[in-house]
This record gives sequence, structure tokens and C-alpha cells, in this order.
Amino acid sequence: SQQGEEDPQALSIQEGENATMNCSYKTSINNLQWYRQNSGRGLVHLILIRSNEREKHSGRLRVTLDTSKKSSSLLITASRAADTASYFCATEAQGAQKLVFGQGTRLTINP
Amino acid sequence: DGGITQSPKYLFRKEGQNVTLSCEQNLNHDAMYWYRQDPGQGLRLIYYSQIVNDFQKGDIAEGYSVSREKKESFPLTVTSAQKNPTAFYLCASSLDPGSWFYEQYFGPGTRLTVT
Repeated sequence: SQQGEEDPQALSIQEGENATMNCSYKTSINNLQWYRQNSGRGLVHLILIRSNEREKHSGRLRVTLDTSKKSSSLLITASRAADTASYFCATEAQGAQKLVFGQGTRLTINP
Repeated sequence: DGGITQSPKYLFRKEGQNVTLSCEQNLNHDAMYWYRQDPGQGLRLIYYSQIVNDFQKGDIAEGYSVSREKKESFPLTVTSAQKNPTAFYLCASSLDPGSWFYEQYFGPGTRLTVT
């Protein structure tokens, strides 16, 4: 079952620009998480936002959560070439003890 | 140096053969997970285990089997019944699936090719 859907599927920007990715989901959640995956590697946890939080920051990352719209966004400011990766949102639905991942946004930062 | 290890990184098998993928963690995490990732796709949950000697099917368990005899280890067997086993397999663990801090830590993955 696919809970989260990321938009856009692919994003290409110039180094230094900001990158915004969106995630929509279907059911009520306990929390929403964002992960990064470099090509051919495992996923790395970036940030977790709880259902009672609206915004969270971590370094150059800013995540927002709108539970009324069942959507979240991930903003990466001042992008760097090293930010090139796929980004996934994952949701923990209420009552479920597992995460469900979206299909990801493939981000390319051009030097 | 704590983390999750998966071996091997690349695995090749002939169709009809069972194959076991290794996953070990030294993070003292209770919960462990197996995911499958196909090209350009997200992760799909195969099996998960919240405690030793117990595990549950995920969304795509058919053709796979697991065991959890030790807290540190959660091997995945891809059986000959799995119709399309070629994929990238990721193992993950988390501290406590019932807590707020539910981030998962991932291993580097095993790329399985079956011909």
C-alpha cells in the first residue's frame, strides 16, 4: 500500500538555489519522516515531524506539515552538489507500527 | 562503531535457487525490517520483527521468509516461489516501534540479481 506520494518525481536546480519537495498522504498519521538516499546506498534519516507539529528545522532543512491537507513539504536551502540524491517521505499511520514510504523525488543539483 | 551491516553487497543466483541475505545490527534495537526497492520506486515492506522470535508479514511477504533468533540478526530468505526476485534489498532497525522516536537506521543494501 502506498501512503505517501512525492511531487515532483524529479527536480533539477542550480547550486545555491532552494529545492522544495512535497509529500501527500491518505490517512491520519502519528508522524512523518523524510529520508535521503544516495544512488545505490541505504537511506539516511533526515528529520521527523510529529502530527502535532507544524514546522521543524534542521540545518538547511525545513519541513512543514499540514494535517488538514494531509501534506508535507521539505525545503533545502542554499543547495549544494552533495545534496544530489533521492528524497523519500515516510508516514507512520495511526495504529500502525511500521512506516510506509512514498516513491521519492530525485533531486539533481547542477554545479 | 555502531550500525547495520548487510552482506553481500551484490548477489547473483540462478532461477529456482533459494538465497539468504544477511542483516546484522549492533545498535541494540528491538525492531528490524526488510524492504524491497525496485528501480525508480519507493520501498515496500517485506517483513518486520519487533522482538526476538516474533515477526509479521509486511505488504509483499509472498515468496520470502525470515527468522529472528537473536536480537542482532534478521536474515531474509528469498525463495524460488518469489516470481520476480531481482531487486535492491534494504534492512533497517529502530529502537522502539512504540515510541515517538521511530526513525529507522538502514544498512547499505544488497543488490540481488536472479537469472
